Amino acid sequence: QKEVEQDPGPLSVPEGAIVSLNCTYSNSAFQYFMWYRQYSRKGPELLMYTYSSGNKEDGRFTAQVDKSSKYISLFIRDSQPSDSATYLCACLSGNTGKLIFGQGTTLQVKP
Amino acid sequence: NAGVTQTPKFQVLKTGQSMTLQCAQDMNHNSMYWYRQDPGMGLRLIYYSASEGTTDKGEVPNGYNVSRLNKREFSLRLESAAPSQTSVYFCASSANHGTGELFFGEGSRLTVL
Repeated sequence: QKEVEQDPGPLSVPEGAIVSLNCTYSNSAFQYFMWYRQYSRKGPELLMYTYSSGNKEDGRFTAQVDKSSKYISLFIRDSQPSDSATYLCACLSGNTGKLIFGQGTTLQVKP
Repeated sequence: NAGVTQTPKFQVLKTGQSMTLQCAQDMNHNSMYWYRQDPGMGLRLIYYSASEGTTDKGEVPNGYNVSRLNKREFSLRLESAAPSQTSVYFCASSANHGTGELFFGEGSRLTVL
């Protein structure tokens, strides 16, 4: 079983929809939680990160962490076709400094 | 702004052949990483170099070797390629190990026949 689990999708939504992307993790040592976005045939790029539990908002994007249930979420409001990409959650171990990725969820936003 | 540059972008090998993937970064980062990305498996860490002069194994190091040539360059070598090593390989760098903010190259697509 992977330490970070993510439903690969694909997820298809109409333009303007609210998108919810989720991950679960098993290692209690994870302290930082990231979301990376990867466009087709490109490398991933950091979208957002949060420390410990709570919410963090950046424009149309909100990252949420619930450490008690080991659950991480990314919400996208007013989704746009340009948001079509694969979204990877990642967890950082405070012990090893290693970043462990989920499988990634492929999102398609249709005009 | 080059960032992280990987070469080659595409390569086809026969089983048993060897090759080296090259990676260079121009951001003066201390740490560098090699990941592989496979369908359904996500990104898996092969090796990393927390600082110049050090290298450590990641999740899937078998069949690979690495060299941190200097602060800018980190190479990944396949000594005897196997079909199971068909994948997309990503090099990444970060200012320091343990920050979680990685900057990725565009990937090297390797097919082993």
